[in-house]
Amino acid sequence: GAGVSQTPSNKVTEKGKYVELRCDPISGHTALYWYRQSLGQGPEFLIYFQGTGAADDSGLPNDRFFAVRPEGSVSTLKIQRTERGDSAVYLCASSSRGADTQYFGPGTRLTVL
Amino acid sequence: EDQVTQSPEALRLQEGESSSLNCSYTVSGLRGLFWYRQDPGKGPEFLFTLYSAGEEKEKERLKATLTKKESFLHITAPKPEDSATYLCAVLNTNAGKSTFGDGTTLTVKP
Repeated sequence: GAGVSQTPSNKVTEKGKYVELRCDPISGHTALYWYRQSLGQGPEFLIYFQGTGAADDSGLPNDRFFAVRPEGSVSTLKIQRTERGDSAVYLCASSSRGADTQYFGPGTRLTVL
Repeated sequence: EDQVTQSPEALRLQEGESSSLNCSYTVSGLRGLFWYRQDPGKGPEFLFTLYSAGEEKEKERLKATLTKKESFLHITAPKPEDSATYLCAVLNTNAGKSTFGDGTTLTVKP
């Protein structure tokens, strides 16, 4: 079946602009995760949804970052007033109910000029 | 705070030269330890989940083992297509999020 998909694959924006990154999880997966990965580092947790609600948003770096999952499927990560330090690959993962293994999408590479 | 340290940062092997990658971790309560493979420009690809000390999992040339403080990923007779970054992550019993190490970049020369 289809895996986790993320759009766009690449996003270039200017400092101060607003961006939205989309994640389509594996069909039927109830949990959805967002991570950020900088070059040469492992993924860093941002936020985790169980269904429609954010179960843990402790990894969001500040209030410029926000994520939603209104119908319990697709999720959007929103970044306001982007800064050059936001440049990274944003990864999305999903897992099925009761399972621990997370399956990752290909990521969105965000570049803030 | 959960921590994961992977070593070495980079490993270069000749084809057929077996070796091991290390993942040391500290976690208040281990729910599971995960190994992923990541190719350049792609998302992590799931390899193994280990849940308790003494557990072992195998897949082709890879074998993962777990103790109370660390995990090893053993690579037997590697091939050039095994070249990738290998990531280790721990899942805490009290959290839904995983904590990742920075990975080991493996290069296998023909």
